[in-house]
Amino acid sequence: QKEVEQNSGPLSVPEGAIASLNCTYSDRGSQSFFWYRQYSGKSPELIMFIYSNGDKEDGRFTAQLNKASQYVSLLIRDSQPSDSATYLCAVRVYGQNFVFGPGTRLSVLP
Amino acid sequence: KAGVTQTPRYLIKTRGQQVTLSCSPISGHRSVSWYQQTPGQGLQFLFEYFSETQRNKGNFPGRFSGRQFSNSRSEMNVSTLELGDSALYLCASSLGDSSQQPQHFGDGTRLSIL
Repeated sequence: QKEVEQNSGPLSVPEGAIASLNCTYSDRGSQSFFWYRQYSGKSPELIMFIYSNGDKEDGRFTAQLNKASQYVSLLIRDSQPSDSATYLCAVRVYGQNFVFGPGTRLSVLP
Repeated sequence: KAGVTQTPRYLIKTRGQQVTLSCSPISGHRSVSWYQQTPGQGLQFLFEYFSETQRNKGNFPGRFSGRQFSNSRSEMNVSTLELGDSALYLCASSLGDSSQQPQHFGDGTRLSIL
């Protein structure tokens, strides 16, 4: 059974710090990796996605992928209280459904 | 470009009834997936439709069914509702022709069973 694991948190960081969110997956055939942010009572919102090993940066967000270690992470630089949310990691193999992790709750303290 | 539209936003039903939820994907998206989200279970995959065909199915009982129309709009039906079916039901669409395409979610339908 394909699994995606995340630390449920809460992960608390002070405002302005770097928040590091981690995700591991069990299926070595996973090809695409996605990070979503979900505010309480709202639907998930796509932050970014990555396919190749290494880093991908988009503004304050950096996704890091290591397929050999089956590990993907999301770094949030200069964290703001508005970043407080649950972050969902999702992986996909072509032709198969997205598999989501349970999410990590992030709290950015002013 | 309009996002994923789900209707209705809220529903209240009683046990034993059935319900139909609707999802209109982003224009040009051919894949529609449905998820159930509850506080204890997180996002649980129900099924995915691509070009009117069910492409993937999650581990839910047969009371949960869906379909997709030629315009890519999708409906999900739940029959013989149980208290445990109370949840946020999310629809997500993607272009669907590659694993590299992300999904985009609608606002969801919050279903409450009394």
